Amino acid sequence: QVQLQESGPGLVKPSETLSLTCAVSGGSISSYYWTWIRQPPGKGLEWIGYIYYSGSTNHNPSLKSRVTMSVDTSKNQFSLKLSSVTAADTAVYYCARDRSYCSGGSCYFNNWFDSWGQGTLVTVSS
Amino acid sequence: EIVMTQSPATLSVSPGERATLSCRASQSVNSNLAWYQQKPGQAPRLLISGASTRATGIPPWFSGSGSGTDFALTISSLQSEDFAVYYCQQYNSWPFTFGGGTKVEIK
Repeated sequence: QVQLQESGPGLVKPSETLSLTCAVSGGSISSYYWTWIRQPPGKGLEWIGYIYYSGSTNHNPSLKSRVTMSVDTSKNQFSLKLSSVTAADTAVYYCARDRSYCSGGSCYFNNWFDSWGQGTLVTVSS
Repeated sequence: EIVMTQSPATLSVSPGERATLSCRASQSVNSNLAWYQQKPGQAPRLLISGASTRATGIPPWFSGSGSGTDFALTISSLQSEDFAVYYCQQYNSWPFTFGGGTKVEIK
């Protein structure tokens, strides 16, 4: 059973860059797509973006060009960077497995999220 | 961007009763819809994908229905552990979007 664990600073200053890592255990990061989702305190869920082990990414246009995602297959982990943060970026950040995958030269997009990390609260404040 | 609207915002139900949650999309998402359950302080848990396919380990009293723009999640007989917030999510087109949630509370 795959498990995910987010890590990173819980406090980031305005205008700086938020950096989080998600460690994947119990399965290979090369098997599926991986995604980031956030949830402001007391509010709903927002999809941030996904990454494949090949480095292919896609992200929510609402975050403009502030999002950078990367993957480290040697460590079985993937990462998120969100630049120029403001108080509006304060949220619980979750990493999750996206059930999309590629095989035999074709990709199968099943963009639901079936395994989640416990989440990590990131507060943007000076 | 496809807007997902859930209703009602809060549903008060007695244990053992049936609950029906609604999710409407601003345009067709075909059957590319998932449902999640979230309890306080926990990550969401996948219940349903493909509008009606239960995820692994999800009990049979959860069922999903609908296609196009109108969807429903039915909990046929509410157990104490089912009181939570439920979210729908469309994955028909980018960006993937979630509804605002329905809180199922004890009546």
